[in-house]
Amino acid sequence: TQLLEQSPQFLSIQEGENLTVYCNSSSVFSSLQWYRQEPGEGPVLLVTVVTGGEVKKLKRLTFQFGDARKDSSLHITAAQPGDTGLYLCAGAEGWGSEKLVFGKGTKLTVNP
Amino acid sequence: DAGVIQSPRHEVTEMGQEVTLRCKPISGHNSLFWYRQTMMRGLELLIYFNNNVPIDDSGMPEDRFSAKMPNASFSTLKIQPSEPRDSAVYFCASSLEGLAAYEQYFGPGTRLTVT
Repeated sequence: TQLLEQSPQFLSIQEGENLTVYCNSSSVFSSLQWYRQEPGEGPVLLVTVVTGGEVKKLKRLTFQFGDARKDSSLHITAAQPGDTGLYLCAGAEGWGSEKLVFGKGTKLTVNP
Repeated sequence: DAGVIQSPRHEVTEMGQEVTLRCKPISGHNSLFWYRQTMMRGLELLIYFNNNVPIDDSGMPEDRFSAKMPNASFSTLKIQPSEPRDSAVYFCASSLEGLAAYEQYFGPGTRLTVT
């Protein structure tokens, strides 16, 4: 069974600070996705990374896929209260399967 | 376009009762997923359908759980009989097979409480 470990589990920071959250596995994934979930809502897709070593930027968010496609990181620059939420990474098994394996998430709180 | 629609949003029921959760996927999407989310276990895949056919139900906890997809625009997840340990938020998600990396779009969830 493929597992994704996310760290830290909880993170509370002040507005304007930078942060990085991590998603690690011993398994290789065909692609990896990051979702953000707000209370009372479903996860919303932020980005998909497919190629080992790939870096994608979405405004103040930078996503990186490890060279071996086993891990990923999300870096937020100058965090804002609107960034508060649960960040989930999900690995696609691929190779004919549509299943995603989700990490348990990092709960981020950005205080004004 | 409307996103994934789930109903009800909240369900409170007594142990032993039957519970039916409903989902309407995004029009044109041909894959549908049912997940369960709890604090302890995170987001777990229960079952997924492709073109209305169940492909993988290995995540369904036990025989009390069943899921159907009678057509491309509707699916149900039924729990009979329900137990307190079934309390969780249940999400439905849909995707378009072939879309790069199978990006999934989630509904708002049904919060189930079994007392």
